[in-house]
Amino acid sequence: EAQLVESGGGQVQPGRSLRLSCAASGFSFSDYGMFWVRQAPGKGLEWVASISRNSGSLGYADSVKGRFIISRDNAKNTLYLQMNSLRTEDTALYYCAKTGMVGATRGAFDIWGQGTKVTVSA
Amino acid sequence: EIVLTQSPDFQSVTPKEKVTITCRASQRIGTSLHWYQQKPDQSPKLLIRYASQSFSGVPSRFSGSGSGTEFTLTIDSLEVEDAATYYCHQTSTLPLTFGGGTKVEIK
Repeated sequence: EAQLVESGGGQVQPGRSLRLSCAASGFSFSDYGMFWVRQAPGKGLEWVASISRNSGSLGYADSVKGRFIISRDNAKNTLYLQMNSLRTEDTALYYCAKTGMVGATRGAFDIWGQGTKVTVSA
Repeated sequence: EIVLTQSPDFQSVTPKEKVTITCRASQRIGTSLHWYQQKPDQSPKLLIRYASQSFSGVPSRFSGSGSGTEFTLTIDSLEVEDAATYYCHQTSTLPLTFGGGTKVEIK
């Protein structure tokens, strides 16, 4: 069974950094584009970043561009999100997700993790 | 940026009633539109991909239609377990965007 498990969330002060991880299992991780999506408390879903299966194509929301870096280690079946210069408005539950089509860098997100909570507060 | 506008924002529905949720895109996106269900304290789950393709394991009472700028999610004969927030999502163009969500409550 395909599964994604996020970790690395926590409480951090504004301006500091945090790195999220997403461990994949039950599918061929290196075949799929991967994504980070966040959800602020009581709010809707917001796409954060995308990465192609070979890391050759990256995409970022304007709200995080220049501060967050998405990466992956296909040998370790793990997706990462390096979050720098954190702001209070980055407070959210961060989900990783995979696209449902082999080789695609877009498309429906067919598997989601359970999320990891990030709180940015002084 | 493609803006997705869902309507209604909230719907209170009796079991077995039919539910229709609309998602309008600010630009034409073909059929690159997907629907998710999110129950409280759970991660989103894919229901419909590419406007009308039911995802594996999704009950047949859920269906989607539309193309271009107007899309619809229909729940035939609502069940109690369908209480959730529903989101549309476009993957036609970066930035990827989601609709604001439609909360469906059971009367």
